[in-house]
Amino acid sequence: DADVTQTPRNRITKTGKRIMLECSQTKGHDRMYWYRQDPGLGLRLIYYSFDVKDINKGEISDGYSVSRQAQAKFSLSLESAIPNQTALYFCATSETGYTEAFFGQGTRLTVV
Amino acid sequence: GQQLNQSPQSMFIQEGEDVSMNCTSSSIFNTWLWYKQDPGEGPVLLIALYKAGELTSNGRLTAQFGITRKDSFLNISASIPSDVGIYFCAGQRVSGNTPLVFGKGTRLSVIA
Repeated sequence: DADVTQTPRNRITKTGKRIMLECSQTKGHDRMYWYRQDPGLGLRLIYYSFDVKDINKGEISDGYSVSRQAQAKFSLSLESAIPNQTALYFCATSETGYTEAFFGQGTRLTVV
Repeated sequence: GQQLNQSPQSMFIQEGEDVSMNCTSSSIFNTWLWYKQDPGEGPVLLIALYKAGELTSNGRLTAQFGITRKDSFLNISASIPSDVGIYFCAGQRVSGNTPLVFGKGTRLSVIA
């Protein structure tokens, strides 16, 4: 089983709909991240959380919100999806005091 | 915005050739990481570098932490078809307290 699990793996939704992407981890890491990948733009940070009570905006947080329900769970919400939010979304985790991040398999989101 | 300049954006090489790619920044980084992303998967850590001038190998891969702390290089020797994918550099500016910043990636294609 994957250490960092994202659900769903693929999702097609309509403009204006609310959608939630979920991430859970069994690595026991305190820190969790949401990144967005677009072709040619690499990985851009949306939100991150260093522990359960900590939420921080990243480079491109507009139009997104997050919830850290537990150490192992970090969800990303699009309150009103728009087509330019079509992208590949990755959740990642890291251990406090260590730099290396570990990624889930990604969620491919299409907004039509 | 993103602070890492990664080049080249893409490469087409013959099987057996060596590959070089690099990442530069106008800022100093304390840690450099190199990741590989296979099609349909999340990025996987290849090599981590923690000290200026450090040279680290992982099989056919060799990476170096630039002496100025503003750049890093990844070399792949004797490329094989499974080397195909997107390679990302990532850096952390202040140890432990800031998320990774990623380059835009180098897409590698290997022609058999």
